[in-house]
Amino acid sequence: GAVVSQHPSRVICKSGTSVKIECRSLDFQATTMFWYRQFPKQSLMLMATSNEGSKATYEQGVEKDKFLINHASLTLSTLTVTSAHPEDSSFYICSARYRDTEAFFGQGTRLTVV
Amino acid sequence: TQLLEQSPQFLSIQEGENLTVYCNSSSVFSSLQWYRQEPGEGPVLLVTVVTGGEVKKLKRLTFQFGDARKDSSLHITAAQPGDTGLYLCAGASPFGGGSQGNLIFGKGTKLSVKP
Repeated sequence: GAVVSQHPSRVICKSGTSVKIECRSLDFQATTMFWYRQFPKQSLMLMATSNEGSKATYEQGVEKDKFLINHASLTLSTLTVTSAHPEDSSFYICSARYRDTEAFFGQGTRLTVV
Repeated sequence: TQLLEQSPQFLSIQEGENLTVYCNSSSVFSSLQWYRQEPGEGPVLLVTVVTGGEVKKLKRLTFQFGDARKDSSLHITAAQPGDTGLYLCAGASPFGGGSQGNLIFGKGTKLSVKP
């Protein structure tokens, strides 16, 4: 299957700082990328959907000013957690797809805010 | 709102046993995907089913899509410790909207296969 690379895999940051997570599609053009959050022992919760070149669509209850998403090219989307707090600690996962084909997931990023 | 009910939530069995995981909804999906996720990693796609009534086999795993495309099942034969993981079903909505193309995930089935 197609390869989606997510970086970093783990990050620890201090409360109040911002963290950027990258999601790259390595061998295909990702017309749509999705960002999910996963709490321990739970399923994936969609945070936002981004189409290349346009603003992301956020799910209800997700603060767009806190979770900044940029999808500037067909192979890269970034999620920036601004002014991170301990409650933002979680496992963040991106997925990417080309048009309406199957979505492939990144390896995930474990964010710990101390 | 489309929902996918996945059951059971937890399953602990002995090596060699068979098991079935179910994914049900009152909504129709254009396709349904099954993923397996290991701790600390992203989900890995196992299979996509598209046609109502479709059956796909992947070694000891058998996937079925309901005739009405509202439900699916995953059957594992002679489970092995290596099958341990979180199994997620995800349906692709046939409708557009703000999250067009989004996958709707079930809550997952945490499978533990003991040697």
